[in-house]
Amino acid sequence: QLQLQESGPGLVKPSETLSLTCTVSGASIRSGSVYWGWIRQTPGKGLEWIATMYYTGTTYINPSLQSRVTMSLDTSKNQFSLNVNSVTAADTAVYYCVRPRGVTTWYFDSWGRGALVTVSS
Amino acid sequence: EIVLTQSPGILSLSPGERATLSCRASQSISYNYLAWYQQKPGQGPRLLIYDASSRATDIPDRFSGSGSGTDFTLTISRLEPEDFAVYHCQQYGRTPITFGQGTRLETK
Repeated sequence: QLQLQESGPGLVKPSETLSLTCTVSGASIRSGSVYWGWIRQTPGKGLEWIATMYYTGTTYINPSLQSRVTMSLDTSKNQFSLNVNSVTAADTAVYYCVRPRGVTTWYFDSWGRGALVTVSS
Repeated sequence: EIVLTQSPGILSLSPGERATLSCRASQSISYNYLAWYQQKPGQGPRLLIYDASSRATDIPDRFSGSGSGTDFTLTISRLEPEDFAVYHCQQYGRTPITFGQGTRLETK
C-alpha cells in the first residue's frame, strides 16, 4: 500500500527558502507513467495545487507560484522534494505530498498526513 | 481559472439521514473532470469520487457523485458516524487545478 510522508523544517524565515521532502513507500518513484505532487492548505484559501512532476522530471507548476517553485526527485532514496523561495507569511500552510492520477491534469488518490510550515521571523 | 463554490458551508444532519452536497463551477468543466474528497481533523484528504461519478478504491457505495457541466453533487445515502467531516470538490478539467472551499458536515 502506498504511503507518503512529508518532512522538513516547521519554521522558515521570510525571504528564505521553504524545503520539504516526501518519502514514498509501497511504490517506486521511477515507475512508468507515475506523477508526484504537492498541495497546500490554509484556513483562508483552502486547498491550493502547487505542482506536479512526471517521473521523467517534467514539472507542471501553478502559474501563481511559477517563479518561486521547484520540484526534484531523489531516486536513490525514493523521495521527491519541493522548494519554495522568497517566502512570505502567505506561504504559511499545511503542505501535503500527493500522488496525482491522470495525464495532462490530475486528481489525487494518495495524500500524506501533511506538514505545517510557518513563515515567521 | 475555474472557481468552485460549494454549498452549504455547513450541513447539520443526523446519522441515518441523506446528505446532499453541491459544487458549482464558474465555467463548464471539461470531460466532467471533477473529484470529491473527505477530510477529517489532522489528516490529509481522502479521494472519494473522480470523473464526477466514479467511486475510488474501497469507498462504500453509500457515496455517489453526479452532475455535469457546471453543477455537481455528492450524495451520501445514509450517514454513518464516521462520515461527519469536511468535504472538498476539485476540478481538473483545466489548469490550474482548483478546489472548492469545503462543506463541513456536522452532527445535528
